[in-house]
Amino acid sequence: AQTVTQSQPEMSVQEAETVTLSCTYDTSENNYYLFWYKQPPSRQMILVIRQEAYKQQNATENRFSVNFQKAAKSFSLKISDSQLGDTAMYFCAFMNTQGGSEKLVFGKGTKLTVNP
Amino acid sequence: GAGVSQSPSNKVTEKGKDVELRCDPISGHTALYWYRQSLGQGLEFLIYFQGNSAPDKSGLPSDRFSAERTGGSVSTLTIQRTQQEDSAVYLCASSFGTSGGTDTQYFGPGTRLTVL
Repeated sequence: AQTVTQSQPEMSVQEAETVTLSCTYDTSENNYYLFWYKQPPSRQMILVIRQEAYKQQNATENRFSVNFQKAAKSFSLKISDSQLGDTAMYFCAFMNTQGGSEKLVFGKGTKLTVNP
Repeated sequence: GAGVSQSPSNKVTEKGKDVELRCDPISGHTALYWYRQSLGQGLEFLIYFQGNSAPDKSGLPSDRFSAERTGGSVSTLTIQRTQQEDSAVYLCASSFGTSGGTDTQYFGPGTRLTVL
């Protein structure tokens, strides 16, 4: 079974600075997708960024980028120019594309606080 | 609708009672997922629907949990004889449902269930 590990339960960063959230995963599959979701206090899970395992190029979405290391099974999220609105829980998630279910397997999350 | 909606937003019930949680996915999305978010277990997959059928029910924790989807749209998650350990936030997500993990799952705001 796939597992996702987020080793940082909590992190904080000063506004405008850069922060990196860590995620590692375990799978024997070769084709899969990885995601970072953000969950603010409103509970709404919002997709931040996604990465297809077959792509070597790291995904980027505005201030958010990933460092995808397939051999090391690592998928970290970098947030540049942190803003107060980035304060939230961040979940790393894995999706296996085999077997048809496409369910997400989540890590335990990292609580990020952006300080003014 | 504009997004995934869930009702009720909050539900408080007494141990032993049955509860029904509703999810209304984004129009046109054929895939629907239920997840449970609890303090001790993080985010766990419960069940996956493709249209009205549920090819993956592997996450349902016991036979007290069931779900159905009618008309390829609205889904209801039913918990019978609720127990205190059922207290959690129940999240619903939907996607277009094409194969290969190319679809982003969009989440609803969740239903917070409290069993007294």
